[in-house]
Amino acid sequence: GIQVEQSPPDLILQEGANSTLRCNFSDSVNNLQWFHQNPWGQLINLFYIPSGTKQNGRLSATTVATERYSLLYISSSQTTDSGVYFCAVLTGANSKLTFGKGITLSVRP
Amino acid sequence: SQTIHQWPATLVQPVGSPLSLECTVEGTSNPNLYWYRQAAGRGLQLLFYSVGIGQISSEVPQNLSASRPQDRQFILSSKKLLLSDSGFYLCARSIGTVYNSPLHFGNGTRLTVT
Repeated sequence: GIQVEQSPPDLILQEGANSTLRCNFSDSVNNLQWFHQNPWGQLINLFYIPSGTKQNGRLSATTVATERYSLLYISSSQTTDSGVYFCAVLTGANSKLTFGKGITLSVRP
Repeated sequence: SQTIHQWPATLVQPVGSPLSLECTVEGTSNPNLYWYRQAAGRGLQLLFYSVGIGQISSEVPQNLSASRPQDRQFILSSKKLLLSDSGFYLCARSIGTVYNSPLHFGNGTRLTVT
């Protein structure tokens, strides 16, 4: 099956810093989504981004499907950005998203 | 509203006891519904998904089963829990398939089997 690798596995930032989170995948995909899981376990869909670039406030994401990667940018990080960031990809026409192992982000005040 | 309700938030059950977790969604009709499990160490595993009432697809053979008795209700069950069933159970929905629409999660149920 498809492999999804996220890097770096852990990231520590000072509040106000910018960061780039990466998601590489081993095969062509029809769909890619980014999620944020806060320290209480709540999973929030950040972006539905099979290709191109999207922005939502301080967050933006870019997927280059032909090169099999996606990037999540966090600007002016805040302590509330802490948690685990997952990317998930979909191949073929089935309903099964494959999740990466996640990137743990800690933003310190 | 596209709210997903899951309960209970936490649950402690002895080995061998039955389990029933309920998920209900508000908003759009005929959503696709999913049960995921997240074990300690963060990986998310798809357990079941449903495209309509009574239609269940199982992704992983195991001690669990799922049912969809109503359009907006999805239930995860077990007749006899095992220690390995401990984990964080998340219900999710998409308006269409995840092929063409985002996936949204409920707040989850943290299950500890003792």
